[in-house]
Amino acid sequence: GQQVMQIPQYQHVQEGEDFTTYCNSSTTLSNIQWYKQRPGGHPVFLIQLVKSGEVKKQKRLTFQFGEAKKNSSLHITATQTTDVGTYFCAVNDYKLSFGAGTTVTVRA
Amino acid sequence: DTAVSQTPKYLVTQMGNDKSIKCEQNLGHDTMYWYKQDSKKFLKIMFSYNNKELIINETVPNRFSPKSPDKAHLNLHINSLELGDSAVYFCASSQDQGANVLTFGAGSRLTVL
Repeated sequence: GQQVMQIPQYQHVQEGEDFTTYCNSSTTLSNIQWYKQRPGGHPVFLIQLVKSGEVKKQKRLTFQFGEAKKNSSLHITATQTTDVGTYFCAVNDYKLSFGAGTTVTVRA
Repeated sequence: DTAVSQTPKYLVTQMGNDKSIKCEQNLGHDTMYWYKQDSKKFLKIMFSYNNKELIINETVPNRFSPKSPDKAHLNLHINSLELGDSAVYFCASSQDQGANVLTFGAGSRLTVL
């Protein structure tokens, strides 16, 4: 099945700063999904990207799908304490496989 | 109303025991899943059922036996629990088996002593 490498594994961010997490695949992806899991919570769907080069925004979150559909990124601007949690990308062939996640902590 | 509900939320038990986790979804979805999340937060699919039929079994030990009495329910029974079974088990559902968007339950934290 398809596998994705997600980096970094941990991201410690000063409140107000920006950060980016990346997902990379060795194969072309049909689509990619992003989920957020708050501490002690469960993964919650954020967005799905389908088209080559697609960019979608949700308030301070910007999601991008690479032109070759082999990588994706999530960029958060002006990080807030509400952004803490683990962000997963997920890809599917016959099943949804999750990246290892980027766990984000925020320094106030 | 909770879309995907699983019980119990916490489970502490001794090695060798048998335990079950139940899951129900009220979204009208056709497909349900069990995922295991280890201490490093890695999420790995275990099983998937579509309309009560097993469609994915990811080389899980046969001590784990899923059962889907109807498409709204997917239960997980674990025999002869081992220390390595300690994890959070998430139930999830999706519209159909096309690996659509997943809706997760709140999770069941299993601790094996």
